[in-house]
Order: sequence, then structure tokens, then C-alpha cells
Amino acid sequence: DVKVTQSSRYLVKRTGEKVFLECVQDMDHENMFWYRQDPGLGLRLIYFSYDVKMKEKGDIPEGYSVSREKKERFSLILESASTNQTSMYLCASSGQLSGANVLTFGAGSRLTVL
Amino acid sequence: QKEVEQDPGPLSVPEGAIVSLNCTYSNSAFQYFMWYRQYSRKGPELLMYTYSSGNKEDGRFTAQVDKSSKYISLFIRDSQPSDSATYLCATPPLNSGGSNYKLTFGKGTLLTVNP
Repeated sequence: DVKVTQSSRYLVKRTGEKVFLECVQDMDHENMFWYRQDPGLGLRLIYFSYDVKMKEKGDIPEGYSVSREKKERFSLILESASTNQTSMYLCASSGQLSGANVLTFGAGSRLTVL
Repeated sequence: QKEVEQDPGPLSVPEGAIVSLNCTYSNSAFQYFMWYRQYSRKGPELLMYTYSSGNKEDGRFTAQVDKSSKYISLFIRDSQPSDSATYLCATPPLNSGGSNYKLTFGKGTLLTVNP
């Protein structure tokens, strides 16, 4: 069964801390994504990567950075966490299904910043 | 205007009811339409996808696209309590180079099916 694994399901951090969210996929997908999901705002794309060491900003990249050193791993970094970054973070990778790009999501990482 | 609009609900129905979930989209060039289902405290998972217009059926689920009105629908027949989840519509926008790996999601509709 294909899988996207997010290493941390629940994290509690303090304002100003550096936070790493790790994501690993085992599908050999080229594209990987980080979204955040908030009530009333839906899924918003933070960053995505279409190849190793390649990245593009999504809709809300401010306050975040990413790293993709290996094809299977995509990390989201909060350099200095703030309370407004309290959210559910979802990693995904995408592959082709009958011509359509389909996202496979991880289970999510719920981050609380105090 | 947002690219994909979805009524957030919430929607509460009795078991066995027919459920209709709807989205509208703004760009007539969109070609693929997807429905994702997200259970509480889980990531979204692909439920169905359709290409262009028409209907696609999978068991109790039917996805319908009306390109003339830019309307996407998901119908659930004989709804079950296990169908209780948030349903998100999505479409890959067209951009230069033909890359369509970025999906635009609706905000999701929370459905509760009561036993």
C-alpha cells in the first residue's frame, strides 16, 4: 500500500522555536507538497517541490522554508515559530492516475505553538 | 472570484438519505475534477475523479460535472454513518507548460450521517 508518512502527529512548541516537520513517501513520486489546513480556510499550499533540491512557493510561504535533499523526503521548517502557525500540516506527494495528477496525503501533523 | 467554491455546510442527514455535495469553479479550461474525503484527524484521501463532463459512478458514489454551468457534484446514495467526513472538491489549474500537479481545493463540506 502506498504511503506518505509524517513523522510527528502532534507537536507542542514555544514561540520562537525552530520546528522541523518531516515527510517521507515510498511511491517514487517526483512532486511533493506541504499544505496547512485551518477551519474556515481549507487547505492552503505552503510550498511544493517537483524534484530533488527544487522548490516553489505556494500561496502562503511566509514564515516557512523547505528542504528536499532526497527524492523521498520533504521537510517543512518553521525558522521561528509563532502562534499564528498553530495548525494542521499536511504533506502530500503526487503521481499520475489515468492522466490526472492525484495527491496522496499523509495523516497530518498537528502543531500547537504556545 | 476564487477558483473553486464549496458550500462549507455542515450538512447533517439521516442514515439512508441521498446526499448531494456541490462545488462551482471559475475557469472553464479546467478538465479534471476530483473529490477527496477526509475523516476526522486524518489526511484527505482520493474518493473519485472525473475528466471533462458527465457522470462517473463507483458503488454508492456518483461524481457529476456540468461544464456549461461550471458545477461539480458528488452524490451519495443510501448514506451510512461511515460516510461522515469532510468532502473536498479539487481541480488542477492550467498553467504555462501544461503542468497540472498543483491542485486547487474547495474549503470542504462537513457531512454527518446520523444512525
